Amino acid sequence: DVKVTQSSRYLVKRTGEKVFLECVQDMDHENMFWYRQDPGLGLRLIYFSYDVKMKEKGDIPEGYSVSREKKERFSLILESASTNQTSMYLCASGPRTQYFGPGTRLLVL
Amino acid sequence: KQEVTQIPAALSVPEGENLVLNCSFTDSAIYNLQWFRQDPGKGLTSLLLIQSSQREQTSGRLNASLDKSSGRSTLYIAASQPGDSATYLCAVRESSNTGKLIFGQGTTLQVKP
Repeated sequence: DVKVTQSSRYLVKRTGEKVFLECVQDMDHENMFWYRQDPGLGLRLIYFSYDVKMKEKGDIPEGYSVSREKKERFSLILESASTNQTSMYLCASGPRTQYFGPGTRLLVL
Repeated sequence: KQEVTQIPAALSVPEGENLVLNCSFTDSAIYNLQWFRQDPGKGLTSLLLIQSSQREQTSGRLNASLDKSSGRSTLYIAASQPGDSATYLCAVRESSNTGKLIFGQGTTLQVKP
């Protein structure tokens, strides 16, 4: 079974903090994705990566950056967290079918 | 720009009913379409994937159809059970290169015992 894990299920941070969200997959997938999910807005793509050290902006990259140093790990970085980044963050990987992690619910105070 | 719409936003049915969830998309040039299930507070689980060249896919009590020319897909759930209660999302993939998905807002299904 494909496994996509995310470093935290719940996270509480203060405004201005630097936040790291980690995602690891165990199936040697080249494609990895970061989404955020908000009520009424659905899932929106933040960044994706189709190879190590490669990244592409999604629909809402502002305020975020990513890092892909190893194939299995894709990190989402909030350089200076703001309250409007309070959301559910979902990581996914896969070449055809996308496999999702359990999500990280982030609260920025 | 591709837009994906799911109607209705919410649906409540008694146990045992057969039901259909709808998904429409504005640009028929898609690579594939995928249906997901999401339980409250959880990640997404892939249910069915239909390639653009296919008309339907089946898995157990689930059947998904695709009509590219009209920009529609349906997810048919037979003999619904309370355990089917969840939010169902459809997503289209436009390109074979990047794998980027465009999601609908989802239909929240409640199956009452």
